[in-house]
Amino acid sequence: AQTIHQWPVAEIKAVGSPLSLGCTIKGKSSPNLYWYWQATGGTLQQLFYSITVGQVESVVQLNLSASRPKDDQFILSTEKLLLSHSGFYLCAWSLGTNSDYTFGSGTRLLVI
Amino acid sequence: GDQVEQSPSALSLHEGTDSALRCNFTTTMRSVQWFRQNSRGSLISLFYLASGTKENGRLKSAFDSKERRYSTLHIRDAQLEDSGTYFCAAANTGNYKYVFGAGTRLKVIA
Repeated sequence: AQTIHQWPVAEIKAVGSPLSLGCTIKGKSSPNLYWYWQATGGTLQQLFYSITVGQVESVVQLNLSASRPKDDQFILSTEKLLLSHSGFYLCAWSLGTNSDYTFGSGTRLLVI
Repeated sequence: GDQVEQSPSALSLHEGTDSALRCNFTTTMRSVQWFRQNSRGSLISLFYLASGTKENGRLKSAFDSKERRYSTLHIRDAQLEDSGTYFCAAANTGNYKYVFGAGTRLKVIA
């Protein structure tokens, strides 16, 4: 069975500190991977997507970066957090361009 | 930029009733997706459409195949577990970049 795991579940970080959020997908090879951000009470914004290992495309940067070091791993990071980075981060995978997306449980981030 | 406008923004339904959610697009879109988010934040994919209609149980979605400027999500015989926030998202270039609507907060009441 395919599983998607996001870590950490929640974080409280200081402004200016670094951040690294992770996402791993087990059970499928070469999935398409996606990062989304959701402000509290707001809509979703797609941040990045990756079709293959080592390649990441930016949709909305928000002073964040993403990397795909392995086929089953997607990392979201920044060296300096801003207050505006607070929110809910979701990772998702899909096979092909017209298949359903499967989402992780998300990471809640509070920047203070 | 591209915009996705969802309506209504909020909706209350009695159990057993039917309703429809709508997304209008300010430009022609290639594909649309519908998602539901529960109160804990968990998001599930409901439909992907490049054209036509799809049905899954009590849910049915349609994507205007002519002008490709709107999509609808019909809920039949609403149940309590249908409560949540419904998002549509549409892509007009390729199939990897999606713009989301603001969501419809649906509450089904007994």
